[in-house]
Amino acid sequence: NAGVTQTPKFQVLKTGQSMTLQCAQDMNHEYMSWYRQDPGMGLRLIHYSVGAGITDQGEVPNGYNVSRSTTEDFPLRLLSAAPSQTSVYFCASSKTGFYGYTFGSGTRLTVV
Amino acid sequence: GQNIDQPTEMTATEGAIVQINCTYQTSGFNGLFWYQQHAGEAPTFLSYNVLDGLEEKGRFSSFLSRSKGYSYLLLKELQMKDSASYLCAVRDLNSGAGSYQLTFGKGTKLSVIP
Repeated sequence: NAGVTQTPKFQVLKTGQSMTLQCAQDMNHEYMSWYRQDPGMGLRLIHYSVGAGITDQGEVPNGYNVSRSTTEDFPLRLLSAAPSQTSVYFCASSKTGFYGYTFGSGTRLTVV
Repeated sequence: GQNIDQPTEMTATEGAIVQINCTYQTSGFNGLFWYQQHAGEAPTFLSYNVLDGLEEKGRFSSFLSRSKGYSYLLLKELQMKDSASYLCAVRDLNSGAGSYQLTFGKGTKLSVIP
């Protein structure tokens, strides 16, 4: 099993550009989440999903969109990148949300 | 909302014991997790408490007191490789949405020195 796979690992964007961070898991987990991690701020929840077709906002959702068309995939879209979105992004999944989360290796995003 | 507090940094000596505290305030508490995160890497699961008391896993133990909103992670026989950030995370049941959310503290950076 590959676990949780995130791509790309590194990305540099210009302000105003759009992109999609990919996240896929092969553990048949229902829960998937996106977090961003900034120095001194810890991990903050952006969006999460409790199953295919169901998504909800977390603590810091502005500027990000998500969708969940399959159990395996949970992409995060930045529609118009801003320097404030420079961060490390982690995708995580859990069997039901009741259990611990498994994290992907992260995407380091820089917006210039 | 939630409020999770843990010390920002700690230093301890190789071979010693260190205790990392976490206090929380939440409306729908449904479990507490500890994660370890080495610099530049993803968090990895260490322990989980949902009932009061001590959970032991080798050199690592975690304690929970729900009435006090308090947990600690105890690391024994410290090794240099234990230098990492330790994240306290609280699972909430969002009764309105019928779903769980995991909220993290800002993490405690532990430095183990010879």
